[in-house]
Amino acid sequence: AQTVTQSQPEMSVQEAETVTLSCTYDTSENNYYLFWYKQPPSRQMILVIRQEAYKQQNATENRFSVNFQKAAKSFSLKISDSQLGDTAMYFCAFMKHDSGYALNFGKGTSLLVTP
Amino acid sequence: KAGVTQTPRYLIKTRGQQVTLSCSPISGHRSVSWYQQTPGQGLQFLFEYFSETQRNKGNFPGRFSGRQFSNSRSEMNVSTLELGDSALYLCASSSGLTDTQYFGPGTRLTVL
Repeated sequence: AQTVTQSQPEMSVQEAETVTLSCTYDTSENNYYLFWYKQPPSRQMILVIRQEAYKQQNATENRFSVNFQKAAKSFSLKISDSQLGDTAMYFCAFMKHDSGYALNFGKGTSLLVTP
Repeated sequence: KAGVTQTPRYLIKTRGQQVTLSCSPISGHRSVSWYQQTPGQGLQFLFEYFSETQRNKGNFPGRFSGRQFSNSRSEMNVSTLELGDSALYLCASSSGLTDTQYFGPGTRLTVL
């Protein structure tokens, strides 16, 4: 079974600053996908960014980027120019390749962006 | 395209009752997955349906069941409700052509 660990239960950052959320995972699979989802107070899960394990290039989506270290099984999320609307729970998730859609989630990191 | 919809949004039941939750995926999506979110256990995968067949199943007791219809809409059923079943139940859909799942707003189930 795959496990996903987010070691930072809570984090805080000031507006316009940069913050990095950590995620590590344990798997014996070679092909898989990694995701960061955001869940604001509305509880709506929103996809932030995705990474395919066979791609060495780190994914980026506007202010969001990842640092994917496959050998270290690490997948951190960097948020640049933090905005108040980034306040949310952030979940790291793992999914095996080619075996259907079943996400394994970490426990989440609660991010608070302050003025 | 309309997003994933879930009904009802809120539900209150008593122990021992059963409940059925509904999920309508994004048009054209053939995969529907269900997740349970609780403060203690976090987000846990329940099961996934693809083209009316259960393709994956998480580690939940048999009281939790689901099905998918020919129009890809899915229902999940929980029988003999327990207090610990109180949770946010999230449904997610995927086209089957990409690896990305899109989530609905969830159904908040409270068991008294």
